Amino acid sequence: SAVISQKPSRDICQRGTSLTIQCQVDSQVTMMFWYRQQPGQSLTLIATANQGSEATYESGFVIDKFPISRPNLTFSTLTVSNMSPEDSSIYLCSGLTVNNYGYTFGSGTRLTVV
Amino acid sequence: AQSVSQHNHHVILSEAASLELGCNYSYGGTVNLFWYVQYPGQHLQLLLKYFSGDPLVKGIKGFEAEFIKSKFSFNLRKPSVQWSDTAEYFCAVAKGGSTLGRLYFGRGTQLTVWP
Repeated sequence: SAVISQKPSRDICQRGTSLTIQCQVDSQVTMMFWYRQQPGQSLTLIATANQGSEATYESGFVIDKFPISRPNLTFSTLTVSNMSPEDSSIYLCSGLTVNNYGYTFGSGTRLTVV
Repeated sequence: AQSVSQHNHHVILSEAASLELGCNYSYGGTVNLFWYVQYPGQHLQLLLKYFSGDPLVKGIKGFEAEFIKSKFSFNLRKPSVQWSDTAEYFCAVAKGGSTLGRLYFGRGTQLTVWP
């Protein structure tokens, strides 16, 4: 099954700055998804990223705050912009395999905003 | 909107005890169902999944789950847990059809197994 490499694994950032998280898949996936996982809570979908088109954002998430790129079928980035302490969370990417077999997940990025 | 409920937030068991984690979902149509496990410091791994066919699904590491359509449930079971099963377990649902879409996750159940 596809393997996703997610970077960075963790970071501590100053408020007001931005962080870009990268996910590289070792094979093609169709849809890619970006999730946020806050302590003690479930995974919340931020947006769905498709190649060559704008990402589709879930309610409560906007492109200006979480711009996403998907230049090809094996790579995507999520930027957390103008960070505040409330953005401290784990961010996960996921890909839907091309044979519709299932999903693969990155290892997550633990972000702390100070 | 689709929702997934995991009723147990934290389960504590002794080794060799039996495990059942509850999962209910709200969508009335065809669904695809998943259980994922997240060991400390590691990424989500698929335990098992149900797409169609036999509602009793066997997964890795001795886990199984039963899809009961009338109850909108997909409970995870293991007859005898081990210390190494300590992890967080997530139930997830995707709407069924020719193309899978987004996953809806439950909030997770933290399982602690004492040796």
